[in-house]
Amino acid sequence: NAGVTQTPKFRVLKTGQSMTLLCAQDMNHEYMYWYRQDPGMGLRLIHYSVGEGTTAKGEVPDGYNVSRLKKQNFLLGLESAAPSQTSVYFCASSLGSRNQPQHFGDGTRLSIL
Amino acid sequence: GQQVMQIPQYQHVQEGEDFTTYCNSSTTLSNIQWYKQRPGGHPVFLIQLVKSGEVKKQKRLTFQFGEAKKNSSLHITATQTTDVGTYFCAGLEYGNKLVFGAGTILRVKS
Repeated sequence: NAGVTQTPKFRVLKTGQSMTLLCAQDMNHEYMYWYRQDPGMGLRLIHYSVGEGTTAKGEVPDGYNVSRLKKQNFLLGLESAAPSQTSVYFCASSLGSRNQPQHFGDGTRLSIL
Repeated sequence: GQQVMQIPQYQHVQEGEDFTTYCNSSTTLSNIQWYKQRPGGHPVFLIQLVKSGEVKKQKRLTFQFGEAKKNSSLHITATQTTDVGTYFCAGLEYGNKLVFGAGTILRVKS
């Protein structure tokens, strides 16, 4: 039982490059989330999805795009990476509403040079 | 917007000492969740509190939700080295998103 799987685990990009972070969950959860974690700032919500085909902005959405074409997958895209986007990115999922516990992936450590 | 403040930011205790982290919200919460993140790991759900004044226990961990549903605390009795990590509270405002506090980093000296 894999839970929430994120790929890649590590990545180094140059400023201006683009990339996509992949998140897959096998728990049949409706809700999925993308967070970034920076020292001293906790977890900040980037975008989230309440179901297949839907997405919504979180607290810090600028510079990111997302897609949820399939229920089990939630993709986070950086169109033109900036050094300020250097962070650890976590994907999470929950069974239903935001009242439900969130299950996190192992994270992606992203460095933008 | 909704803010969730967590204190202290960092605490270093001797093994066997108690530890408490506090979480305060600027608005009334629907519920509050607590997570633990081990060094180099990912957040793991610990517990959820929903009712005003609710107290829940998990072995040496005691969680409280304030009467006004704007604050919460996590108390660990007789810390062990396995308690090391960052403890996050996350508050859910009615009809809004779950907002995480900045976390309290706990280090335990053996």
